[in-house]
Amino acid sequence: AQTVTQSQPEMSVQEAETVTLSCTYDTSESNYYLFWYKQPPSRQMILVIRQEAYKQQNATENRFSVNFQKAAKSFSLKISDSQLGDTAMYFCAFMKPGAGSYQLTFGKGTKLSVIP
Amino acid sequence: KAGVTQTPRYLIKTRGQQVTLSCSPISGHRSVSWYQQTPGQGLQFLFEYFSETQRNKGNFPGRFSGRQFSNSRSEMNVSTLELGDSALYLCASSVHNEQFFGPGTRLTVL
Repeated sequence: AQTVTQSQPEMSVQEAETVTLSCTYDTSESNYYLFWYKQPPSRQMILVIRQEAYKQQNATENRFSVNFQKAAKSFSLKISDSQLGDTAMYFCAFMKPGAGSYQLTFGKGTKLSVIP
Repeated sequence: KAGVTQTPRYLIKTRGQQVTLSCSPISGHRSVSWYQQTPGQGLQFLFEYFSETQRNKGNFPGRFSGRQFSNSRSEMNVSTLELGDSALYLCASSVHNEQFFGPGTRLTVL
């Protein structure tokens, strides 16, 4: 079974600064997907970024980028130019494709506070 | 396209009752998954339906069940509610290895 670990329960960052959220995972699969989801106080789960394991290039979405280290099974999220609207819970998630299932395995989350 | 919708958004029940939650996926999405979110256990996978068939199930007791209709709408049912069933229940519809979540149903069991 896959496990996802987020070792930072809470973090804070000054507005306009850069912050990195950590995620490690354990799997014996060679092909899989990794995701970062954001859950603001409204509780709506929003996809931030996605990485396919067979792609060596790190995914980037505007101010959000990842550092994917497949051998180390590490998948960190970097948020640049942090904004007040980035305040939320961030969840790292793993998906094993195949067998037609889209099941996600989530980490426990990191609560990020952006300070004005 | 409209997003994933869930009804009701909030629900209060008492122990021993049963409850049915509904989820309408994004148009064209045939897969619907359900997750339970609690402060203690985090996000846990309940089950997944595809074309009216359950194709994956998490480690939850048989009190938790679900179904999917021909229009891809899904319902989940919890019978004999317990206090520990209080949670946010999230539904997600999927396509191309991506899941899109609804706003959730907040269930409180008294």
